[in-house]
Amino acid sequence: GAVVSQHPSWVICKSGTSVKIECRSLDFQATTMFWYRQFPKQSLMLMATSNEGSKATYEQGVEKDKFLINHASLTLSTLTVTSAHPEDSSFYICSAPPPGQDEAFFGQGTRLTVV
Amino acid sequence: GNSVTQMEGPVTLSEEAFLTINCTYTATGYPSLFWYVQYPGEGLQLLLKATKADDKGSNKGFEATYRKETTSFHLEKGSVQVSDSAVYFCALSSLTGGGNKLTFGTGTQLKVEL
Repeated sequence: GAVVSQHPSWVICKSGTSVKIECRSLDFQATTMFWYRQFPKQSLMLMATSNEGSKATYEQGVEKDKFLINHASLTLSTLTVTSAHPEDSSFYICSAPPPGQDEAFFGQGTRLTVV
Repeated sequence: GNSVTQMEGPVTLSEEAFLTINCTYTATGYPSLFWYVQYPGEGLQLLLKATKADDKGSNKGFEATYRKETTSFHLEKGSVQVSDSAVYFCALSSLTGGGNKLTFGTGTQLKVEL
């Protein structure tokens, strides 16, 4: 199947700093990618839809100025957590559906810990 | 809006036991249905899917049948193994302007013991 790679797999940062997470589709072009957040023992919550060449669409309650999304190419979307705080500590996962398919492929996730 | 309801876990079984994880959904139109599996510390992997009513998805001994009349997609396996221990997510897809958006259930943790 298609491959989606996410980097880094884990990161620890100090409170107030910014962290960038990358999501790459390795063998297909993705005009759309999705960013999810998962709290311990909870389901995945969709944060935003990343659209190549245009602004991301954020779900209700997600601060777009805090979670910056850039989808500058057909194979790369980035999520930047700005001015991170301990409550931003979470597992972030991206996914991308190959063109014409209803199935989405997921990155391996990024464990963010803000200290 | 779309929603997915899964049975709460954790579910603890002995090896070789029969597994059922219930999943029901609410959606407009005719969504595709999925089961994803998440092993500890990892992302999600597609386990199986069904795209229309009465379709049966199957993989690695797991099965689920798309039941439109009961809006269900229950996951079953006849004989579980310790290696099946993971969190299982039921999901449905809805077509957006740029792609398919997934709506997930809360996940069910499965623990299989010797």
